[in-house]
Amino acid sequence: GAVVSQHPSRVICKSGTSVKIECRSLDFQATTMFWYRQFPKQSLMLMATSNEGSKATYEQGVEKDKFLINHASLTLSTLTVTSAHPEDSSFYICSARDRQRAPYSNQPQHFGDGTRLSIL
Amino acid sequence: AQSVAQPEDQVNVAEGNPLTVKCTYSVSGNPYLFWYVQYPNRGLQFLLKYITGDNLVKGSYGFEAEFNKSQTSFHLKKPSALVSDSALYFCAVSSRFGNEKLTFGTGTRLTIIP
Repeated sequence: GAVVSQHPSRVICKSGTSVKIECRSLDFQATTMFWYRQFPKQSLMLMATSNEGSKATYEQGVEKDKFLINHASLTLSTLTVTSAHPEDSSFYICSARDRQRAPYSNQPQHFGDGTRLSIL
Repeated sequence: AQSVAQPEDQVNVAEGNPLTVKCTYSVSGNPYLFWYVQYPNRGLQFLLKYITGDNLVKGSYGFEAEFNKSQTSFHLKKPSALVSDSALYFCAVSSRFGNEKLTFGTGTRLTIIP
């Protein structure tokens, strides 16, 4: 089945550091990837939609200069949290849409295992 | 705008008993409905979906869900709960199948009591 790999699974760093999270589709091409943020005991909040070769579309209230998204290839999207602060600590999850199978796919998005970001 | 409501934050069920996790939705047009499960510190795993056709859809791990258009509901069910079913369950809706955004409910923590 379709696999999405997210790396790193956990990162702890000091305030002011920039952190990059990678999301890779391992066995399919993904023209669209989604980045979510999940707070403790809360649902997933869509942050942005990442389209290969073009600028990401950010949801209302999400700072695009704070959360930089790059989707340079059909199998890789990255989320960089710039100058991270303690309030950025959260669980970040990516998902990817299979470009070729999408119209017939069993599911619209395949999810990574998430990244636990802790800013000290 | 589309939305999903999961009215129960927590559901406790004895092992072997049937379980139900509730979900209601609001969407313009035909709804596309999904259930996902999340284990601690993991991403979401797909359980099942409703696109069209039979109102009762069967999914992974013995789960099923019933689409009820008049009640705008899509409750998740399983005839006999296992301890390993304990997890966080999310209902999601989309107004169009494919490239579009999913809107998730707030999640229901299911605990199966041995």
